[in-house]
Amino acid sequence: GQQVMQIPQYQHVQEGEDFTTYCNSSTTLSNIQWYKQRPGGHPVFLIQLVKSGEVKKQKRLTFQFGEAKKNSSLHITATQTTDVGTYFCAVMYSGGGADGLTFGKGTHLIIQP
Amino acid sequence: DSGVTQTPKHLITATGQRVTLRCSPRSGDLSVYWYQQSLDQGLQFLIQYYNGEERAKGNILERFSAQQFPDLHSELNLSSLELGDSALYFCASSEAGGTEAFFGQGTRLTVV
Repeated sequence: GQQVMQIPQYQHVQEGEDFTTYCNSSTTLSNIQWYKQRPGGHPVFLIQLVKSGEVKKQKRLTFQFGEAKKNSSLHITATQTTDVGTYFCAVMYSGGGADGLTFGKGTHLIIQP
Repeated sequence: DSGVTQTPKHLITATGQRVTLRCSPRSGDLSVYWYQQSLDQGLQFLIQYYNGEERAKGNILERFSAQQFPDLHSELNLSSLELGDSALYFCASSEAGGTEAFFGQGTRLTVV
């Protein structure tokens, strides 16, 4: 199945600094999703990207899908303490009726006040 | 609140035992997925059911099995438990043809 590599594993930032996490695949992806998991919580869907070169924004969050559909990024501008958590990219593979998600290892965002 | 309910929230059991985790999907969602989250392996897809039938298998061990009942709730059965099975087990559901997966709060399994 498709696999995605996510970097960095951990990111420490000062509150107010920007944050970026990257997902890369060796194969072309049909789509990519992003999830956020707060400490002690469950993954929560943020967004899905489907089109080559797609850019979507949600307030301070900017999501990009690469032109070749092999990489994606999530950028947070001016981080706040509420942004703390682990950000996962995930690929939904479909084939023969299979719809499971393959998750990256996640990037743990740690914010220092 | 995602609308997906998992019970129990915590479970402590001994090696060699068998446990059952339960999941009630969001109202109307036909697809149920099970995931295992551990520190070393991250979030791993185990299995998917759609309207009562198994639809996809991921990294699920032979000691593990699942089923989805006519009322669409699902159970994940874990048997011959080992210390390494200690993890968070998440259930997620999605609507037919949907892309977004809604996760439950998870069941934290500790095998001692």
